[in-house]
Amino acid sequence: SQKIEQNSEALNIQEGKTATLTCNYTNYSPAYLQWYRQDPGRGPVFLLLIRENEKEKRKERLKVTFDTTLKQSLFHITASQPADSATYLCALALYGNNRLAFGKGNQVVVIP
Amino acid sequence: DAGVIQSPRHEVTEMGQEVTLRCKPISGHNSLFWYRQTMMRGLELLIYFNNNVPIDDSGMPEDRFSAKMPNASFSTLKIQPSEPRDSAVYFCASSPLDRNGGNEQFFGPGTRLTVL
Repeated sequence: SQKIEQNSEALNIQEGKTATLTCNYTNYSPAYLQWYRQDPGRGPVFLLLIRENEKEKRKERLKVTFDTTLKQSLFHITASQPADSATYLCALALYGNNRLAFGKGNQVVVIP
Repeated sequence: DAGVIQSPRHEVTEMGQEVTLRCKPISGHNSLFWYRQTMMRGLELLIYFNNNVPIDDSGMPEDRFSAKMPNASFSTLKIQPSEPRDSAVYFCASSPLDRNGGNEQFFGPGTRLTVL
């Protein structure tokens, strides 16, 4: 069966350090992968998209990698700040399909 | 732009009652999505529309759920009759249509539904 796995345990990290989150998937051949941020009581907010033929994408302090051989994406927040505390969700989609399948998310807590 | 608008923000109802959730997508967006989020199952796609036409409703749990999009600026998700297991946060999202896929989705604030 198709699965998208993110760590269910919260990641507690000291301010200024790099937070790294993992998204693993099975039985998917995604054309692209997206990362979203979700704060309590709010809807997810889009952060980054990476396509299957891209290895890495950056946006400000965020970096995403995509390894289709390992079936894995890594999401990095460099120089983390308390304001980065949130839940981060990865989502996969197939080529030509608007449908997204989401992981359950991974909570990040940045400690001042 | 006001973003995606959902109403009501909170709904408490009794088992067996009809519930109607409403969504106004961002103007100009051609795709609209309804999701349900619970702790156990995470964020699940229920149904999505392209240009007001339902494309994929395979996520709709059962016949008690129905969704409509009568025009480009309005969609409803109806549950009749509601059951306690329907308690969840329901999100509406919209995006520009891209036949190659890949467009970001813009989410509304959600409707927190509690069925007693």
